[in-house]
Amino acid sequence: NAGVTQTPKFRILKIGQSMTLQCAQDMNHNYMYWYRQDPGMGLKLIYYSVGAGITDKGEVPNGYNVSRSTTEDFPLRLELAAPSQTSVYFCASRSVTNTGELFFGEGSRLTVL
Amino acid sequence: GQQVMQIPQYQHVQEGEDFTTYCNSSTTLSNIQWYKQRPGGHPVFLIQLVKSGEVKKQKRLTFQFGEAKKNSSLHITATQTTDVGTYFCAGHLGSEKLVFGKGTKLTVNP
Repeated sequence: NAGVTQTPKFRILKIGQSMTLQCAQDMNHNYMYWYRQDPGMGLKLIYYSVGAGITDKGEVPNGYNVSRSTTEDFPLRLELAAPSQTSVYFCASRSVTNTGELFFGEGSRLTVL
Repeated sequence: GQQVMQIPQYQHVQEGEDFTTYCNSSTTLSNIQWYKQRPGGHPVFLIQLVKSGEVKKQKRLTFQFGEAKKNSSLHITATQTTDVGTYFCAGHLGSEKLVFGKGTKLTVNP
């Protein structure tokens, strides 16, 4: 059971470039989340989704976009990368019926130069 | 801004000493969760508290949820080097949005 899979694990971008962070889960979870974690800081919610076709903004959505065309996949899109988006990005998912536990991917470390 | 506050930000202890981290919210939470993140790793779920005044134990870890459901604490008795990491609380604002505190980074000197 793979759980939550994130790709890529590492990426360096130039200012103004675009990219998509991929997230896939094989647990049939309805809820999926994207968080960013800056060095020595907590996790800030970027976007979340309660099911296919439904997404909503979190605490820090500016500069990002998401889509949820299937239950399994929740990609995060950066359109015009900025140095302020240098961070570690975590995708997570949870079921509506369990204890509420979030299952996290291993993270994607993004550097914008 | 950050709606779930956590203190202290850092805690250094000698192995065998106790450790406590506190979490406070400006609003009433439907539940509170605790996670542990090892250095270089991803957050791992520890527990969820739902009821007012709830206390749960996991071996040396004791979790409490305040009567007003606005605060929580995690207490570790007799720390070990394996307890090293950052401990996060997270509260549900509504049913879907889970907001994390900044975490308490615990270091344990052997």
